[in-house]
Amino acid sequence: SAVISQKPSRDICQRGTSLTIQCQVDSQVTMMFWYRQQPGQSLTLIATANQGSEATYESGFVIDKFPISRPNLTFSTLTVSNMSPEDSSIYLCSVEFPSIGANVLTFGAGSRLTVL
Amino acid sequence: GDSVTQMEGPVTLSEEAFLTINCTYTATGYPSLFWYVQYPGEGLQLLLKATKADDKGSNKGFEATYRKETTSFHLEKGSVQVSDSAVYFCALQKRGRRALTFGSGTRLQVQP
Repeated sequence: SAVISQKPSRDICQRGTSLTIQCQVDSQVTMMFWYRQQPGQSLTLIATANQGSEATYESGFVIDKFPISRPNLTFSTLTVSNMSPEDSSIYLCSVEFPSIGANVLTFGAGSRLTVL
Repeated sequence: GDSVTQMEGPVTLSEEAFLTINCTYTATGYPSLFWYVQYPGEGLQLLLKATKADDKGSNKGFEATYRKETTSFHLEKGSVQVSDSAVYFCALQKRGRRALTFGSGTRLQVQP
């Protein structure tokens, strides 16, 4: 099967705190992608997480703000650090499942963060 | 850099009307093109894709043709239903890269 599970599905956070989002898949995948969808906006790629190496960040995103872990081929975490209201978004995990097809990304349901 | 431009929404149609959502792209080389759909309260789902020029992707009555000469990938459906109400995202994927670049999304509202 091809299942992506994200936790938490939603959370309300206080300014200045950090939150870690988990992404679990049910089969081994090479790359995992983290996207952000700000309210009413499109999806923007934050970083690509590869197992055994540091994540690759897109322009405008830095490791200190969005540290990522990828301890194995089925799991990744994204931390949103020192949050401000501007970080209120839906954060999505995405992977390419070999069973679904090459070059097709499947998305998790997302983690909706509200920062007060 | 690579980019995807979609027509602004919301697009409001009556049931059984014809739908077109315009999508154009800017990219070097020949990317793959996708339409994703986000139904209310749900996650993003792949609707259709095309990987080379003149390919037509189709699914659930929706179609889109990869037009290299106009760098376009317009989404069409001959007769929309209320259940098609959603946000539609056009996206491109460069050769050799897995990550997607998304357009801004177009909200479709279909009225009975």
